[in-house]
Amino acid sequence: DGGITQSPKYLFRKEGQNVTLSCEQNLNHDAMYWYRQDPGQGLRLIYYSQIVNDFQKGDIAEGYSVSREKKESFPLTVTSAQKNPTAFYLCASSIGGQGHSYEQYFGPGTRLTVT
Amino acid sequence: LAKTTQPISMDSYEGQEVNITCSHNNIATNDYITWYQQFPSQGPRFIIQGYKTKVTNEVASLFIPADRKSSTLSLPRVSLSDTAVYYCLVGGNTGGFKTIFGAGTRLFVKA
Repeated sequence: DGGITQSPKYLFRKEGQNVTLSCEQNLNHDAMYWYRQDPGQGLRLIYYSQIVNDFQKGDIAEGYSVSREKKESFPLTVTSAQKNPTAFYLCASSIGGQGHSYEQYFGPGTRLTVT
Repeated sequence: LAKTTQPISMDSYEGQEVNITCSHNNIATNDYITWYQQFPSQGPRFIIQGYKTKVTNEVASLFIPADRKSSTLSLPRVSLSDTAVYYCLVGGNTGGFKTIFGAGTRLFVKA
């Protein structure tokens, strides 16, 4: 059964701690993305990767880091430098990594709460 | 990247057809128009995509006029389960990749 998995579904951390969110896909997609969604708002792009060992900053990359060592995995680290980390984080993938002509498949999301 | 404008919210009743219009006045020649649906606490789900004229699939139709400066998502005979946020995205294969998921249109279907 192909798809994208994100874990955990809920994550609680203390302020000042780094935290890593997992994203795995078995769709054999080249491109992967991380978005952040705040209550009542749309999605904002944090980072994207068009191919293994390559990734690019999105609109709100400050305070976040990523790696893409394997095609199926794209973990996101929320660092202590991120001033407002509490949010709903969504990972997505697509066949191609260039532009919007490719359908994005989304994971179920991780809701991060930092206190 | 073309900016999009959608109504913030819409109400409808079960069984009605719902049309959500998206404005994208500065759409580029290579841009596609894509619509996603999102339920609370879930990731968005692809609904339909088009470049020009009309596209239809099993869940929706997408109408795009000749000037492509707007598009209309049409949901036939909505049910309560169609209550969700609908996002219109415009973008293409050139100029790098950026995504703008705006606030979307919050559709509320009533019984």
